[in-house]
Parts: sequence; structure tokens; C-alpha cells
Amino acid sequence: AQKITQTQPGMFVQEKEAVTLDCTYDTSDQSYGLFWYKQPSSGEMIFLIYQGSYDEQNATEGRYSLNFQKARKSANLVISASQLGDSAMYFCAMREYQRSQGNLIFGKGTKLSVKP
Amino acid sequence: DTGVSQDPRHKITKRGQNVTFRCDPISEHNRLYWYRQTLGQGPEFLTYFQNEAQLEKSRLLSDRFSAERPKGSFSTLEIQRTEQGDSAMYLCASSPHLAGGGNEQFFGPGTRLTVL
Repeated sequence: AQKITQTQPGMFVQEKEAVTLDCTYDTSDQSYGLFWYKQPSSGEMIFLIYQGSYDEQNATEGRYSLNFQKARKSANLVISASQLGDSAMYFCAMREYQRSQGNLIFGKGTKLSVKP
Repeated sequence: DTGVSQDPRHKITKRGQNVTFRCDPISEHNRLYWYRQTLGQGPEFLTYFQNEAQLEKSRLLSDRFSAERPKGSFSTLEIQRTEQGDSAMYLCASSPHLAGGGNEQFFGPGTRLTVL
């Protein structure tokens, strides 16, 4: 079974509008972390935001926020005020602190295209 | 620039040849990870080092793959008798080992391998 599911292969958003990228996860660990990375066409993976399973408040980093719904096992990324430079692949990832030594499990990604 | 560096950035080889990739992590990071990313997929974990100790290996890491991290600094990933299915982007990441768990992994630019 997929541990990280990103159901949107591609998304379009108008510049300056907000967009939500979906991510659901599956784990039996009580302690885990959820990460979002951005991968532009140049290929490097850029860390955006982190949410721990015990964090009660949703994480925010500038224009990025993570909508964490633990009971639904979802960790959606919200990008506010989209910019042309936000066009990229976005990957949701999970780290299971009890089960592994620290590797990330990635989803298949969502390609975001920002329209001017 | 003190980010993660990888060398070479691109490698084209013929089937059956051996290849070796190098990763230089961020200097104060004691954890180092190798991932493989094929087209249209998220990165998949291969192996992980804490200092010089290789602590975890994925089942994806066949016996043709070997990784080392002598002295706990740079790491090498060798693929022997390459096959066309080895064609992928090989990503290296490093992170510090801090309490709290939310230690993002910093990725290098990757080595793109093409096996003809």
C-alpha cells in the first residue's frame, strides 16, 4: 500500500491566488513527521515546511502553510498568493520515527503550473 | 556555497560498466542519505549513514550497489555491472542529528545516470 498518496498529478493556479496540494499518508507509528519539498525543473529538492505528528498547531512558513488533519491522515500544502516562480513539482514526504532510522518516504508528486 | 554537492552531475555509461558517484554533505551534518528518482516518481530511499556507519539499506539496493562513507565525511555510491534500469537521478541528502525529530534533509543537485 502507498504510504504517501498525492492524488493530483497536475494543478493549475492563477498568479496571486491560493492553491492547495493534497497529501494523505498511512502509518501505524505514533511518532512521525510530514515534509513538503519543491523540485523545480533544475532538479534540486528544496525543503518547504515540516509538521510533527504531535504538533497541535498547523505549521506555517511564509506563504506556505500545512493543513494537518491527523484523524483523516492528511497533510495538505497551502500556497498563498502564488507566484510564477512557484511552478514546479511538489512532493509530500513522511518520516516514521519508530519504524526507521530517518529516511523519507515520498509521494509521486504534483506538478504545479502558475498562470500569469 | 556550503550546501550538499554531488559529482558528477551527469554520467552516461554503457551497460555492464561500473560507475561511482560522490556526495559531499554539509560539513556539520552527521547523517547522509542516498535516494534514487526515476522519471515521474518521487525519490526512493536507498541507504543511510550516521557518521561512517551504514545503518539502513533499502531492499532496492541490490548487491550490485555499494555505498561507503569513510571517516564520516563524503560518501560514494558505486553501481557495478550497470543495467538500463539503473538509469535515474541519484540524490544525496544530509541532515544534522538533533533532538526533536523535525530535521529536514538538505538535498544535493543530483547525479543523472544514463545507461545505454
